[in-house]
Amino acid sequence: GAVVSQHPSRVICKSGTSVKIECRSLDFQATTMFWYRQFPKKSLMLMATSNEGSKATYEQGVEKDKFLINHASLTLSTLTVTSAHPEDSSFYICSARKQGQPRDYGYTFGSGTRLTVV
Amino acid sequence: DAKTTQPPSMDCAEGRAANLPCNHSTISGNEYVYWYRQIHSQGPQYIIHGLKNNETNEMASLIITEDRKSSTLILPHATLRDTAVYYCIAANQAGTALIFGKGTTLSVSS
Repeated sequence: GAVVSQHPSRVICKSGTSVKIECRSLDFQATTMFWYRQFPKKSLMLMATSNEGSKATYEQGVEKDKFLINHASLTLSTLTVTSAHPEDSSFYICSARKQGQPRDYGYTFGSGTRLTVV
Repeated sequence: DAKTTQPPSMDCAEGRAANLPCNHSTISGNEYVYWYRQIHSQGPQYIIHGLKNNETNEMASLIITEDRKSSTLILPHATLRDTAVYYCIAANQAGTALIFGKGTTLSVSS
């Protein structure tokens, strides 16, 4: 199969602190991972594309200095929300794609991280 | 990526087939049709994808029209656990991110 593990599933932090979210591909290597955020009753919004060994590509309107992405290995990407504020409270989800034989598994998503900033 | 259009909501009785439509009239020749679903407070779950031919797996069937301008996801025997938001996405195989629309909220009731 193709499994993506995301940690933590829930985190509460104080305003002004930083929070790191990890995304791991457990049984495959992912040169590219994707980060999304989702507000209540809304669809997933792509934040950035994380590339192993190089800088992430951010979508328009996403502050790269606030949402730091590191993709240091083929199985791990991290998203750090720096100086978090209550408006950063959201559901953050990562995704990776496993291709190849015997089949294309498509895009696999992590279980998400519920961030609450108080 | 081509834009897709789905009804905002649908209802289905438990045990009946759920047929979820999707329009993708501007889909290009190299774009696949992907279906995902998201149960509340979880990450999206892959269901099925296809290019031209109809596809079936253990979860669902995907029927793509001959002109590829629309498709239907079929859950043959819906259960209460199939209640979720279903997303139809057109994407190529270049490895770029999936872009989500608003999806269809399917409510299965007993």
